[in-house]
Amino acid sequence: EVQLVESGGRLVQPGGSLRLSCAASGFTFSNYAMHWVRQAPGKGLEYVSAISGSGVSTYYANSVKGRFTISRDNSKNTLYLQMGSLRAEDTAVYYCARDQSGPYDYWGQGTLVTVSS
Amino acid sequence: QLVLTQSPSASASLGASVKLTCTLSSGHSSYAIAWHKQQPEKGPRYLMMLNSDGSHSKGDGIPDRFSGSSSGAERYLTISSLQSDDEADYYCQTWGTGILVFGGGTKLTVL
Repeated sequence: EVQLVESGGRLVQPGGSLRLSCAASGFTFSNYAMHWVRQAPGKGLEYVSAISGSGVSTYYANSVKGRFTISRDNSKNTLYLQMGSLRAEDTAVYYCARDQSGPYDYWGQGTLVTVSS
Repeated sequence: QLVLTQSPSASASLGASVKLTCTLSSGHSSYAIAWHKQQPEKGPRYLMMLNSDGSHSKGDGIPDRFSGSSSGAERYLTISSLQSDDEADYYCQTWGTGILVFGGGTKLTVL
C-alpha cells in the first residue's frame, strides 16, 4: 500500500526557516518524481515544487523560488522541503504527492505550517 | 496561458447524478487532466486521469459511480448514485512542460 506521511509543520515567525519531510512507503521511491503542493486556509491547491526521481532536476513555483529548496534521500525514501525567509502568505497545509508522469496519483495527509509573530 | 476553470459550487440530491466541469483555456484543448476529491480536513484523493478523447484511468479503489468524459476544451466528472460521502471539493489538475496547474475547485453539496 502506497503511503506518504508528512511531518515538520509548526508555528514559525516571519523570516524564519523550517524543514518539512515526507516519508514514503509501499513503492520504489526513486522511480517517481515527487511534488510539494500547499493549500492556504480556505483556499485551493497551489503547486510549490517538484523533484525528479534521481533528484537531479528540481522545479519551483515563482512564489517560492529562491526561498525554498526541495530535495530527497532515496536511501531513506524521504522527500524534503527546506523553507526559508518565511512570510505570512506561506501559511498553509503542505502536501507531498507522487507524480505519475503528469497526474498526482497519491497524496499525503498534509502538515500545517503557520507563519506568524 | 494554461488555465483551468471550474464553477465554485454545485449541488444535487442524494441518489441522483451530477456532472462537474473543468474547462481548459484557449489553445489547450488537447491536454489531459486529472480529477481529485478532497473531503473536509483531509488530503486530496486522486480519482482519475482524463484524456481529450474521453478515455480515462481511475485511481485505486475508485468506484464505478465515478466516470469521466471530454468535449473540446471541457472535461467532465460525472458522479452517479450520489452518497453523502461524495460531499467534497473537487479539483482538476493539468500539466505541461515545466508547468502544473490546478483549477479553483468545485464544492459539491449533496442535498
